[in-house]
Amino acid sequence: KAGVTQTPRYLIKTRGQQVTLSCSPISGHRSVSWYQQTPGQGLQFLFEYFSETQRNKGNFPGRFSGRQFSNSRSEMNVSTLELGDSALYLCASSLDRGETQYFGPGTRLLVL
Amino acid sequence: DQQVKQNSPSLSVQEGRISILNCDYTNSMFDYFLWYKKYPAEGPTFLISISSIKDKNEDGRFTVFLNKSAKHLSLHIVPSQPGDSAVYFCAASGPGGGADGLTFGKGTHLIIQP
Repeated sequence: KAGVTQTPRYLIKTRGQQVTLSCSPISGHRSVSWYQQTPGQGLQFLFEYFSETQRNKGNFPGRFSGRQFSNSRSEMNVSTLELGDSALYLCASSLDRGETQYFGPGTRLLVL
Repeated sequence: DQQVKQNSPSLSVQEGRISILNCDYTNSMFDYFLWYKKYPAEGPTFLISISSIKDKNEDGRFTVFLNKSAKHLSLHIVPSQPGDSAVYFCAASGPGGGADGLTFGKGTHLIIQP
């Protein structure tokens, strides 16, 4: 089975721009979660989607949003980028909540 | 407020010896714990997990121990191999299957010396 894939792998944006990141889960997995990893804060939960619905959201501002499609693929969007948004964004998929999450390679975003 | 703590940012162990990585948590509602391994420029790779109804889970060279009364878990790797050099993250989830996502520690960088 193919693992979780994320595109793009690297991205450079400037402050004020917006960005969309994509995640394709493992086949058969319906839950997709997003995390942000920074050196200072470590890995932090952004949100989780299941059957095209956001089930839960972490403590991030409304500039961070996402969606999930009928094929379970997910996108996350960050609007009005700030320098502090520079991070590794990781997507993880699982069969359902409570099942083991498997991570993709991440998208490294640099905001200049 | 850090609910999952890995107090050792790095650990150096000789090849062939036992590596012991520690993790403490403060939230007594956590009921499922996982260890992930991460190489640079890659996503975390799932290693092993343990439910709060158990105190030990073993998978090959990896064993996780859970001490609920102390809110402490540890990962033992025996014997340690050069390929084990990576950052190890402890993660926890709460009831309802982790509705709030996984809560991660900040990681321990394990270095296996030849």
